[in-house]
Amino acid sequence: NAGVTQTPKFRILKIGQSMTLQCTQDMNHNYMYWYRQDPGMGLKLIYYSVGAGITDKGEVPNGYNVSRSTTEDFPLRLELAAPSQTSVYFCASTRDRADVYTFGSGTRLTVV
Amino acid sequence: AQTVTQSQPEMSVQEAETVTLSCTYDTSESNYYLFWYKQPPSRQMILVIRQEAYKQQNATENRFSVNFQKAAKSFSLKISDSQLGDTAMYFCAFMRGINNAGNMLTFGGGTRLMVKP
Repeated sequence: NAGVTQTPKFRILKIGQSMTLQCTQDMNHNYMYWYRQDPGMGLKLIYYSVGAGITDKGEVPNGYNVSRSTTEDFPLRLELAAPSQTSVYFCASTRDRADVYTFGSGTRLTVV
Repeated sequence: AQTVTQSQPEMSVQEAETVTLSCTYDTSESNYYLFWYKQPPSRQMILVIRQEAYKQQNATENRFSVNFQKAAKSFSLKISDSQLGDTAMYFCAFMRGINNAGNMLTFGGGTRLMVKP
């Protein structure tokens, strides 16, 4: 089982560039999430989705966009990258509410 | 809004000894879930233990156990017989109950645990 797969694992962006972080899961989970983890801190929710075609903002959505066209994929789009977006990004999924999370291995993004 | 506080940024313990990591939380919810996650240097988020607030019995998983005090809003993690592989960041996390929209996790700031040989 692949679980939750994130690509790329590492990326360096210049200020003002854009990129998409990819996330895919093969467990047919309904719920998917994007979190960011700043150095020495806990994770904070950026966006989440409760099913294909449905997304909603989390705690720190500014500067990001998401889409959920299929159950499997939940890409995170960064527009006009800023140094404040330097972080480790985790994608995760759950089958149902109150279910145990399956996390991806993270993407380390540096904006210079 | 929920908040989760871990008051110990760093801790150390000798191999084979016992250590307790503290976590307090603030919520007005009566139905919720609490978690401890381990994050080793590999960066992977690993679930250590899960507690349902409506269960009075403290959760245990092998060498890991919790002391859940609902009235005090406290959720500490005890690691017995510490092993070198327990060296990691540990995060306490809160999830609202099943009747609420979504099931987002709110994380504490983490405790860095070092197990010394």
